[in-house]
Amino acid sequence: DTAVSQTPKYLVTQMGNDKSIKCEQNLGHDTMYWYKQDSKKFLKIMFSYNNKELIINETVPNRFSPKSPDKAHLNLHINSLELGDSAVYFCASSQGGGGAKNIQYFGAGTRLSVL
Amino acid sequence: KQEVTQIPAALSVPEGENLVLNCSFTDSAIYNLQWFRQDPGKGLTSLLLIQSSQREQTSGRLNASLDKSSGRSTLYIAASQPGDSATYLCAVRSNTGKLIFGQGTTLQVKP
Repeated sequence: DTAVSQTPKYLVTQMGNDKSIKCEQNLGHDTMYWYKQDSKKFLKIMFSYNNKELIINETVPNRFSPKSPDKAHLNLHINSLELGDSAVYFCASSQGGGGAKNIQYFGAGTRLSVL
Repeated sequence: KQEVTQIPAALSVPEGENLVLNCSFTDSAIYNLQWFRQDPGKGLTSLLLIQSSQREQTSGRLNASLDKSSGRSTLYIAASQPGDSATYLCAVRSNTGKLIFGQGTTLQVKP
């Protein structure tokens, strides 16, 4: 049973389109994250939500809008897609609190290709 | 601004060798440090987490050390196996909760 699941796994789309990536975790975690891994494999945080509230919002274009309908879901909507948005997007979750509860569990990633 | 660097970028070793992966960070004010493994086309798997007050953590053939004052961590892999082939990522967690990653070391263990 997958702990953190993202859909779709692959997404190929044209420039200018709007697309969404969904993420769900069944671990009962309070905190969820979105990361972007670029072509050089560099992984950078984009957003973090704790109990449906935005707590981390990195310098990301406002074309990217996260939405958390409940604490088990954090979806990423991207408007007006650009070539530079092509990357692998990872969702993650953690329990929150100290110690081992900080460990983040990652989804398998969504490979977005903008043509 | 916290920066995390991993050296080497790639490493190839014969099976059975012990090896060390290095991670350095510029700001010692960290909450914890984590080592992850990433297989091609897959997500990240957490290997070890070291709290800022700890010096090392061990799990099986893996041992991670942390020297906060010098801004360094190492991941030691004993008796490497072909199944250890993957990219290893180091990440430091700031007190604000952000995980900042290095670019990873891609390890190949040859049978």
